[in-house]
Amino acid sequence: EIVMTQSPATLSVSPGERVTLSCWASQSITTNLAWYQQKPGQAPRLLIYDASSRATGIPARFSGSESGTEFTLTISRLQSDDFAVYYCQQYNNWPWTFGQGTKVEIK
Amino acid sequence: QLQLQESGPGLVKPSQTLSLTCTVSGGSMSSSDYYWAWIRQPPGKGLEWIGSIFYDGRTFYNPSLKSRVTISADMSKSQFSLKLSSVTAADTAIYYCARHVYAIGLDHWGQGTRVTVSS
Repeated sequence: EIVMTQSPATLSVSPGERVTLSCWASQSITTNLAWYQQKPGQAPRLLIYDASSRATGIPARFSGSESGTEFTLTISRLQSDDFAVYYCQQYNNWPWTFGQGTKVEIK
Repeated sequence: QLQLQESGPGLVKPSQTLSLTCTVSGGSMSSSDYYWAWIRQPPGKGLEWIGSIFYDGRTFYNPSLKSRVTISADMSKSQFSLKLSSVTAADTAIYYCARHVYAIGLDHWGQGTRVTVSS
């Protein structure tokens, strides 16, 4: 099983700041990685797929990148609507696995 | 627009079988581009993939749950189902159904249904 590790667990930031979230895979998953945003009481929403492609309707301030087994989600200028929990997920190998999540909270 | 809706009992007794159904509307289930998945989230915790079914009926399960899980589908009714046997309190969670598009990810989710295991 591929283990996905996210860092940090919690990030306290102010609106307007640039935010970088990290996700590491325990082995190669090529670019078969997705990022999801989850707000309280809601289902997750797909933000990024194929490590760096934005899903339909996702604002340009969200971007993803990949360097080997390290993946990054960047929010260029955090808006109030972006405070949420973010999960990475690999779909390269069965079983599909999620990271434990990073909570982005208001500073 | 594609929509998914979970349905089933919100309370299940320990040792019994949890049964949920996901109804898909606004699109076809019968495409080789799609997997249909179940994911769960225990209270206050992260997401756990339970298993998926392909349009041709092939199933893929999380090894940690494989001995207790069965996922099936009725394409003619646009539904797929989850059965989880011998449940315990550790199976208490919000259960989501979702569509996975090949090489893209879980692009459509149901709203989730809360299932509590308690006597």
